[in-house]
Amino acid sequence: GDSVTQMEGPVTLSEEAFLTINCTYTATGYPSLFWYVQYPGEGLQLLLKATKADDKGSNKGFEATYRKETTSFHLEKGSVQVSDSAVYFCALIDTGRRALTFGSGTRLQVQP
Amino acid sequence: NAGVTQTPKFQVLKTGQSMTLQCAQDMNHEYMSWYRQDPGMGLRLIHYSVGAGITDQGEVPNGYNVSRSTTEDFPLRLLSAAPSQTSVYFCASTTGRSDTQYFGPGTRLTVL
Repeated sequence: GDSVTQMEGPVTLSEEAFLTINCTYTATGYPSLFWYVQYPGEGLQLLLKATKADDKGSNKGFEATYRKETTSFHLEKGSVQVSDSAVYFCALIDTGRRALTFGSGTRLQVQP
Repeated sequence: NAGVTQTPKFQVLKTGQSMTLQCAQDMNHEYMSWYRQDPGMGLRLIHYSVGAGITDQGEVPNGYNVSRSTTEDFPLRLLSAAPSQTSVYFCASTTGRSDTQYFGPGTRLTVL
């Protein structure tokens, strides 16, 4: 079945550092890929998505590119802020069920 | 437009008790799903529905029942609560024309 693997956290960075959170997937076909963010005490918010190979999703300074060759969707941000501290989830969608398969999540802590 | 609503926000049960977590959406979405979130494991699919009257099991369905008598409502029933069901539960909905899932705010359940 489908699966998503994320780098384990926590990831601790200083403000203005460069962020990469690795995500790879296994799936039948070419599903849409997502990054969700969960701020402390809150629910899930869609951060960005990409629907086909070579698509780049972007939002709030975060970017991720759908790489079919390496089955990856790594999340990057050039300069993180304290307010980016959250848990980040990589996910893919099962087109038949219209339901998501999530990675285990990566906690990001940004220190001032 | 309320989006996806879940009740209650918090619940404490004793082992063996039963209860129903409510989920409703007012966007006329055909697809709805339930997930549980546990530390270090991301979100896992419990049950899903592709339309009124149609439900199916996800990855972790044991101990849970669902029904979908209307497009709007998708309740999740715990038949006999166990401590292993302590978790945060999220409901989500989407349409067949979009990959974007709309999540509810979650229900935090503790089983003693």
